[in-house]
Amino acid sequence: QVQLVESGGGVVQPGRSLRLSCAASGFTFSGYGMHWVRQAPGKGLEWVAVISYDGSDKYYADSVKGRFTISRDNSQNTLYLQMNSLRDEDTAVYYCAKGAYQLPPWWFDSWGQGTLVTVSS
Amino acid sequence: EIVMTQSPATLSVSPGERATLSCRASQSVRTNLAWYQQKSGQAPRLLIYGASTRATGIPARFSGSGSGTEFTLTISSLQSEDFAVYYCQQYNNWPPYTFGQGTKLEIK
Repeated sequence: QVQLVESGGGVVQPGRSLRLSCAASGFTFSGYGMHWVRQAPGKGLEWVAVISYDGSDKYYADSVKGRFTISRDNSQNTLYLQMNSLRDEDTAVYYCAKGAYQLPPWWFDSWGQGTLVTVSS
Repeated sequence: EIVMTQSPATLSVSPGERATLSCRASQSVRTNLAWYQQKSGQAPRLLIYGASTRATGIPARFSGSGSGTEFTLTISSLQSEDFAVYYCQQYNNWPPYTFGQGTKLEIK
């Protein structure tokens, strides 16, 4: 079955960087768009970024555009989120989520368990 | 950006009763709408996509309806494991993909 395992979260100071990873298994990773979705403590879900199945297309939420970069390594079945210039408001649990098909439109049919990023001085 | 608005924020229902949750889009999303369930401390789980199609393994007591701007998630006979937070999400106009703020379904 589909398994998504995030890692790389932790406590980081404002202005610093962090890279999250999501290891995928149980499906043909290279055949699906992949997303990052975050959830601030006690808040709702916020979509962060998406990358196409082959990495050629990437889209971001305005709140992270220019600071975060989504990427993937299909040879390693791994999704990444490089987060730079982190702010207090980036504190959240970050989930990776699998798009339902190779091409959009997408809903998210599988989710990882999430990794907590805390931005604090 | 399409704004998704869920109501009510909190719904108190007794086990065995029916629960009806609403989701409204600020403009038409056709039937490009999904529902997710999130239990405390867990990741969200897909329930419904295409406004009315149950995801794999989702019990028949969960049903979705609607199109355009008005959508409903109905849980026909609440079980103890159904008490959770429910989110709707549109995938018609993106980026960004947008979620509602959630409805907390609690035991009455």
